[in-house]
Amino acid sequence: GQNIDQPTEMTATEGAIVQINCTYQTSGFNGLFWYQQHAGEAPTFLSYNVLDGLEEKGRFSSFLSRSKGYSYLLLKELQMKDSASYLCAVRGVNRDDKIIFGKGTRLHILP
Amino acid sequence: DAGVIQSPRHEVTEMGQEVTLRCKPISGHDYLFWYRQTMMRGLELLIYFNNNVPIDDSGMPEDRFSAKMPNASFSTLKIQPSEPRDSAVYFCASSSGDLGARETQYFGPGTRLLVL
Repeated sequence: GQNIDQPTEMTATEGAIVQINCTYQTSGFNGLFWYQQHAGEAPTFLSYNVLDGLEEKGRFSSFLSRSKGYSYLLLKELQMKDSASYLCAVRGVNRDDKIIFGKGTRLHILP
Repeated sequence: DAGVIQSPRHEVTEMGQEVTLRCKPISGHDYLFWYRQTMMRGLELLIYFNNNVPIDDSGMPEDRFSAKMPNASFSTLKIQPSEPRDSAVYFCASSSGDLGARETQYFGPGTRLLVL
């Protein structure tokens, strides 16, 4: 079967750093995505990893270890507007782009 | 670009009625996806198309759901007859099929469906 696990909720303080973990078990792997979704809005793309290692993009970084079936999203210098759900998604074995989403991690930022 | 366009943005209907959701993907994108999102199940892929052809509809809940893509700029998701458990936010997304690109899906604003 295919499964993606991420914590349901996390809380962090404005200005701090937070790491959101994602583990996956899929029949194949062809890339991992992170999306941000504010309440009542559509998901928006944050990052894409297909090779092991860390990808940095401004305040956000995403890490992938394919051998461990593990990824994390690192958010630095947290701002109040970062309060949102963060969805981890994995593309499966075929290049036909089937994507499985995790249930998302709701991140609360405290002042 | 206007992004992915969905209509209607909100729909309230009564059980048993037919519901049609519409989507216009970003011009030039080869892939179109229909998702459903609920609190209980999160975001679920229902069906996706490549070059207007349905590739995988294994996520479609049952025969009451059908989707079509008559051309590259338009797709519909139909529920007939609708039931209260179909209440959800339905997202349409599109992406480019270019190999080697940092492929991503661009989501529309969603249709909030409430079936009474």
